[in-house]
Amino acid sequence: DGGITQSPKYLFRKEGQNVTLSCEQNLNHDAMYWYRQDPGQGLRLIYYSQIVNDFQKGDIAEGYSVSREKKESFPLTVTSAQKNPTAFYLCASSIQLSNQPQHFGDGTRLSIL
Amino acid sequence: EDKVVQSPLSLVVHEGDTVTLNCSYEVTNFRSLLWYKQEKKAPTFLFMLTSSGIEKKSGRLSSILDKKELFSILNITATQTGDSAIYLCAVGSEYYGGSQGNLIFGKGTKLSVKP
Repeated sequence: DGGITQSPKYLFRKEGQNVTLSCEQNLNHDAMYWYRQDPGQGLRLIYYSQIVNDFQKGDIAEGYSVSREKKESFPLTVTSAQKNPTAFYLCASSIQLSNQPQHFGDGTRLSIL
Repeated sequence: EDKVVQSPLSLVVHEGDTVTLNCSYEVTNFRSLLWYKQEKKAPTFLFMLTSSGIEKKSGRLSSILDKKELFSILNITATQTGDSAIYLCAVGSEYYGGSQGNLIFGKGTKLSVKP
């Protein structure tokens, strides 16, 4: 079945450590997105990528980095510069340049040790 | 600044009740409005609305868009405990972040349906 797979489901970070969240899709979508969700908040856009080897900052990119070396994969690194990383992280994808909805993975919950 | 505002932020009803969730928006170059249902994990897509006055319906759920007054409603009739979730409204803008695919999300409405 086509879909978006995020891993791990739960992740713990020590202070000063970088951690990487995985996102893989087999929907053949061009565009991929990373969101952060905090309690009582909507989804806030961290980074997005419209095509392989290209990505753009969203509203809250500071302390995060991404890469898009393959169409299927869009990993997110939470760096030590992100001082408040505890949140639920959602990856999404969509068909680019068309009026189609984004589809989401099941998310990764990141906590600080 | 573009924004999407949902109301109420939380709502508790009993099974069998009908609920109406609201979403208003101020977005430059509106393209579409989407509703998602989020239980514990991934938001799942419900509806996408692009034209005013045309109701979209799926079972007990329905939604309509008013582009003149800049809002949408999501109705759920004969609610069931399985309808308990966070309902997210998102708006697509032509120029948000320079991408046609980007969405601006509201904070969501948390619906709890009691037996």
